[in-house]
Amino acid sequence: QQQVKQSPQSLIVQKGGIPIINCAYENTAFDYFPWYQQFPGKGPALLIAIRPDVSEKKEGRFTISFNKSAKQFSLHIMDSQPGDSATYFCAASIFGAGGTSYGKLTFGQGTILTVHP
Amino acid sequence: NAGVTQTPKFRVLKTGQSMTLLCAQDMNHEYMYWYRQDPGMGLRLIHYSVGEGTTAKGEVPDGYNVSRLKKQNFLLGLESAAPSQTSVYFCASTHGLAGGPLMNEQFFGPGTRLTVL
Repeated sequence: QQQVKQSPQSLIVQKGGIPIINCAYENTAFDYFPWYQQFPGKGPALLIAIRPDVSEKKEGRFTISFNKSAKQFSLHIMDSQPGDSATYFCAASIFGAGGTSYGKLTFGQGTILTVHP
Repeated sequence: NAGVTQTPKFRVLKTGQSMTLLCAQDMNHEYMYWYRQDPGMGLRLIHYSVGEGTTAKGEVPDGYNVSRLKKQNFLLGLESAAPSQTSVYFCASTHGLAGGPLMNEQFFGPGTRLTVL
């Protein structure tokens, strides 16, 4: 059962474009939503993360938009560059009271982003 | 500071053979995780550990065993490899909940590409 659904599977944009990757989750107990970036042959690395008490978070050219009522969140990459070409994963976790989820992440399926020069 | 390292980087096994993947971290992290990454499936949690001497099952534990005898090491074992275990395996670690959810960035190793013939 996939609790976090990510789309699209792949995305191609021109340099300067604004790719948008979407994720939807089912479990309303999720309260931490990170995005990870993975370059070929490397492990994923944290890009940006958000808690559900805010609707948007921006770090540099990367922005997360969060819609709690729709149980959806998305990653926007402003002024995309060829160096942004990578696989992007959304994820969700439960931190809540007691911390009994132990930081376990549920990942989306991943989106392969290609930015052409 | 090497971060998270994984050994080996590549391995080819025959069906029925056994092997152990080693993960080591030098950040004094409490929590460690083993994931497998398959195309179109994202990363799925196999087993995890919340401290030295502890282990727990994740989403896809069947066919794998783990041990955490030392805080810095987390071993993943395949007792009798099957072709369905062909995958890229990632180890990750994080501080634990002491710093709150936004402090719980998971740091990933570079991965082990395993092929089972």
